[in-house]
Amino acid sequence: SQQGEEDPQALSIQEGENATMNCSYKTSINNLQWYRQNSGRGLVHLILIRSNEREKHSGRLRVTLDTSKKSSSLLITASRAADTASYFCATEKVGNTPLVFGKGTRLSVIA
Amino acid sequence: GAGVSQSPSNKVTEKGKDVELRCDPISGHTALYWYRQSLGQGLEFLIYFQGNSAPDKSGLPSDRFSAERTGGSVSTLTIQRTQQEDSAVYLCASSPDTNTGELFFGEGSRLTVL
Repeated sequence: SQQGEEDPQALSIQEGENATMNCSYKTSINNLQWYRQNSGRGLVHLILIRSNEREKHSGRLRVTLDTSKKSSSLLITASRAADTASYFCATEKVGNTPLVFGKGTRLSVIA
Repeated sequence: GAGVSQSPSNKVTEKGKDVELRCDPISGHTALYWYRQSLGQGLEFLIYFQGNSAPDKSGLPSDRFSAERTGGSVSTLTIQRTQQEDSAVYLCASSPDTNTGELFFGEGSRLTVL
């Protein structure tokens, strides 16, 4: 069953613009993670935010978490063509269960 | 490299045949996961191994699917009597333990059942 659902399903922007992707989930979590997947490749971990954190930064990435709304957002600033990929949120539910992934957002950054 | 290694990278098989997919996790990682990704979809959890504990098999879609992990390292996912709906990319991931959160993924094994 899907725990995290990303929105939008697809996003196309111009290079230099910011990209925002959202994730909603249903049950209480220990942490929420964002992963990136280039076409035909495995997933690469980007950032992890714990349930007691509200915001985290890593380079051009900014992640927010609102546990009251059960939602998270991933912001990529000053996007580049190389950021073109699918982005997935994944939640670790309370109880240390395996990560549950959403269906992802396909980001296209046009040079 | 020292990443998660999966083989074969591509497998084409006929309906009804058995297939084995192999995963070699990062050395020292105690947790190992198998996920399945159908075309354009998210990841579907299949099975999870943690140390010497009994595996969590709750995601296996049918009794045609099984997995083992020998010596706490290499894992094999076996699909018996393959069906066309089994066609997908099978992704393996490992992590140092369940409390670190981050998973390290292999490149996947793409299975096509004709």
